Amino acid sequence: GAGVSQSPRYKVAKRGQDVALRCDPISGHVSLFWYQQALGQGPEFLTYFQNEAQLDKSGLPSDRFFAERPEGSVSTLKIQRTQQEDSAVYLCASIKTSGTLFNEQFFGPGTRLTVL
Amino acid sequence: GDSVTQMEGPVTLSEEAFLTINCTYTATGYPSLFWYVQYPGEGLQLLLKATKADDKGSNKGFEATYRKETTSFHLEKGSVQVSDSAVYFCALNFNKFYFGSGTKLNVKP
Repeated sequence: GAGVSQSPRYKVAKRGQDVALRCDPISGHVSLFWYQQALGQGPEFLTYFQNEAQLDKSGLPSDRFFAERPEGSVSTLKIQRTQQEDSAVYLCASIKTSGTLFNEQFFGPGTRLTVL
Repeated sequence: GDSVTQMEGPVTLSEEAFLTINCTYTATGYPSLFWYVQYPGEGLQLLLKATKADDKGSNKGFEATYRKETTSFHLEKGSVQVSDSAVYFCALNFNKFYFGSGTKLNVKP
């Protein structure tokens, strides 16, 4: 399959634990996005990478959230000291080019995070 | 700031009925507009898009026209099928992507 993949698909964490969520974009895709989707809501932007450069992290809700894409392909979203309000589906999407205005995002299936 | 507002669901229709899902937007510039669909158990996928005023996006019998004067991008389909049951998200992209809260469509046979 050549789509965007995410792992794990489901994650249950105890409050205060650190978690790491992985995204494998479509091979060769330059742009990568992370979103947070609360139950019954649309995706909300977290952060954006162009290759390995994190160009926009304005959507990260707190300094407990950290994302990286060190080699410009796989990306990891890390959440430290998880809180119950972090419970959501975390979506990753990629775009083939650096020009994102007109282009289609390809979404992964998401990671459903539940914080107890 | 930029935002998208779409009609709340769920919307329940009988097969072959006409569908409209309203979407309006607020943007500081001239965004591109999108409709994404999420079928049960699947990820979001692009349904259609329009990149400038008066453009009409269309796919699988769905249509939406970019109306700058009313800042709208309403989704329409003339005859829905059971297989169209899904959650539909309106989205805009200018400096970043903004999504509406989604509208769940249930089509009954």
